Amino acid sequence: NAGVTQTPKFRVLKTGQSMTLLCAQDMNHEYMYWYRQDPGMGLRLIHYSVGEGTTAKGEVPDGYNVSRLKKQNFLLGLESAAPSQTSVYFCASSHRGRGSNEQFFGPGTRLTVL
Amino acid sequence: TQLLEQSPQFLSIQEGENLTVYCNSSSVFSSLQWYRQEPGEGPVLLVTVVTGGEVKKLKRLTFQFGDARKDSSLHITAAQPGDTGLYLCALIAGYQKVTFGTGTKLQVIP
Repeated sequence: NAGVTQTPKFRVLKTGQSMTLLCAQDMNHEYMYWYRQDPGMGLRLIHYSVGEGTTAKGEVPDGYNVSRLKKQNFLLGLESAAPSQTSVYFCASSHRGRGSNEQFFGPGTRLTVL
Repeated sequence: TQLLEQSPQFLSIQEGENLTVYCNSSSVFSSLQWYRQEPGEGPVLLVTVVTGGEVKKLKRLTFQFGDARKDSSLHITAAQPGDTGLYLCALIAGYQKVTFGTGTKLQVIP
């Protein structure tokens, strides 16, 4: 099993450009999440999904959109990138109803917006 | 919004030393997790604690959940270079949403 994979690993954008980050998991997890990680801020939840076709806002959703058309994929979109969106983005997934509530993370995407 | 603060923010120690890092919440929480994140990778779950006063051990790591369920600590005995990383505490809200603390960056020098 590959676990949680993210593409791309690195990306540089100019202000105003758009892009989509792809997250895929092969563990048949119901829940998926997108976080951003900034120095001194820990991980902050952007959006999450509790199942195929459903999404919800997290702590810092502004400037981002998501879609979960297939259970195994969770896409994060930036419609008009801003320098404030320079960050490392992590995708995670977890099983519904598991006692430990363990989240499995991907390796991250490092995004720079110039 | 429930806040999780971790201390210290940075810690650099020599191999073989002991250390303790702390996680404090602004309010009571039902359960708490500790994750470790190595450079260039995503966080990996170390432990989940759910009962006030609970103590769990994972080899040289000891996790404690405060009696009042508002704080937790992680103690590492005889630290090794492989313990280097970012230690994150996290609490679970509805739909398994996880709120992360600010993290403690640990460097163990050989």
